[in-house]
Amino acid sequence: RKEVEQDPGPFNVPEGATVAFNCTYSNSASQSFFWYRQDCRKEPKLLMSVYSSGNEDGRFTAQLNRASQYISLLIRDSKLSDSATYLCVVNKGKLIFGQGTTLQVKP
Amino acid sequence: DTEVTQTPKHLVMGMTNKKSLKCEQHMGHRAMYWYKQKAKKPPELMFVYSYEKLSINESVPSRFSPECPNSSLLNLHLHALQPEDSALYLCASSQVPGDSNQPQHFGDGTRLSIL
Repeated sequence: RKEVEQDPGPFNVPEGATVAFNCTYSNSASQSFFWYRQDCRKEPKLLMSVYSSGNEDGRFTAQLNRASQYISLLIRDSKLSDSATYLCVVNKGKLIFGQGTTLQVKP
Repeated sequence: DTEVTQTPKHLVMGMTNKKSLKCEQHMGHRAMYWYKQKAKKPPELMFVYSYEKLSINESVPSRFSPECPNSSLLNLHLHALQPEDSALYLCASSQVPGDSNQPQHFGDGTRLSIL
């Protein structure tokens, strides 16, 4: 079993849709959590950290459930520019990446 | 624009060549990292430098040799690479080594092709 698991998708959604990605992790000692975004043939870029209380940044909302070892990312009002691969990342002293979930937002 | 800069952006080399990848950051970060990423896969950690000292080597073959000349620079020396080493090589940095709450910031990578 992978340490960080994500549904690879692809998720194909129309502009304006709300889409949610889920991620589970296996190591309860994991210390911090992040969502990164990676465009095709580009580097990963930090989208947001994920806090236990949940946090929001504009159209993006991240949630963490430590008891269930579950992380989510919600994107509201999807834009064409949101099309990318979203990487769930767990830090337990070193970064452990999920396989990534691919999002395609269509006009 | 990324605050971690990597050169070159692209590199094609033969299996007998020696080349180096370079990474630079001026954010005052004291942890620096090398990752390897194959197509459609997540990045895989290769090396971690904390305060200019090698702290993690993820069992990387010796044909990859990292070097940290100072707190702003990180090099990856390449020698006698294999075709399967073709990948995107990413450098990253974070503020304080060992502080897992600090995110890592990635350079835009060197795309390496081994002929």
